[in-house]
Amino acid sequence: EIVLTQSPDFQSVTPKEKVTITCRASQSIGSSLHWYQQKPDQSPKLLIKYASQSISGVPSRFSGSGSGTDFTLTINSLEAEDAATYYCHQSSSLPWTFGQGTKVEIK
Amino acid sequence: EVQLVESGGGLVQPGRSLRLSCAASGFTFDDYAMHWVRQAPGKGLEWVSGISWNSGSIGYADSVKGRFTISRDNAKNSLYLQMNSLRAEDTALYYCAKDTTAWLRLFDYWGQGTLVTVSS
Repeated sequence: EIVLTQSPDFQSVTPKEKVTITCRASQSIGSSLHWYQQKPDQSPKLLIKYASQSISGVPSRFSGSGSGTDFTLTINSLEAEDAATYYCHQSSSLPWTFGQGTKVEIK
Repeated sequence: EVQLVESGGGLVQPGRSLRLSCAASGFTFDDYAMHWVRQAPGKGLEWVSGISWNSGSIGYADSVKGRFTISRDNAKNSLYLQMNSLRAEDTALYYCAKDTTAWLRLFDYWGQGTLVTVSS
C-alpha cells in the first residue's frame, strides 16, 4: 500500500497570503496524484487532477506541481472561503490511498 | 447535474450486516466507474472500493477485503455496498463517488453520504 504523508497537518494563514501544502508518497506514483478540498459538513471537491491539471470551475489561485514522490498544492492569495481541509490522493495503484489531510484556518 | 444519493446507513451491532445503496442521476451511469469512500467521525478520507462500468474491474481496501462486496445495476442506475461482519472501526460516513472514466481512475463527484454506526 502506498502511504501519502502531507505536511503540515495544520496551517493558520492570513487572507491574501500564499499557502503551500506538500504530499510525499512512499514510492513513485508518476503523476497520479490528485487534490481535494473538504469544507466543514460538505463532501470533498476535486481541485487538481494528475498533479497539475486544473479543474473547470476551480479558481485559478489553486495550482499543483510535482511528480514521482513529491507533490505540492499552492493556494495563491488565500481567500476566507478557502478555509477547509485539503487531501492528496493517489490512484497509481490499488488500494487507492489518501493523505491524512491538512487543515487550513483563516486568521 | 450529477446527483448521487446514498441510503441504507444506520445503527447496527458488531458482526451484523448492512447494505448501502447509491442512486445516480444526471449522467449516463453505465459509462462510468463508481466508488465508495468513507470518513470516520472527525477523521480523514479512506477509499473503500471501486467498480468499473461493466463490473469487470473491482478493487477493495485491505481493511474491508473479504467482508465488503461492491456491485452495480446499470439498468437501475444504482451502486451497492454489501457490508458483512461489521466492526466498530467501520463506523463512518460512507460516500458514493463517480469516476471520471469507465475504469478506476479518479473520482470527481461525491454524494452527501450515509452514516453507518457499528455499536452494541
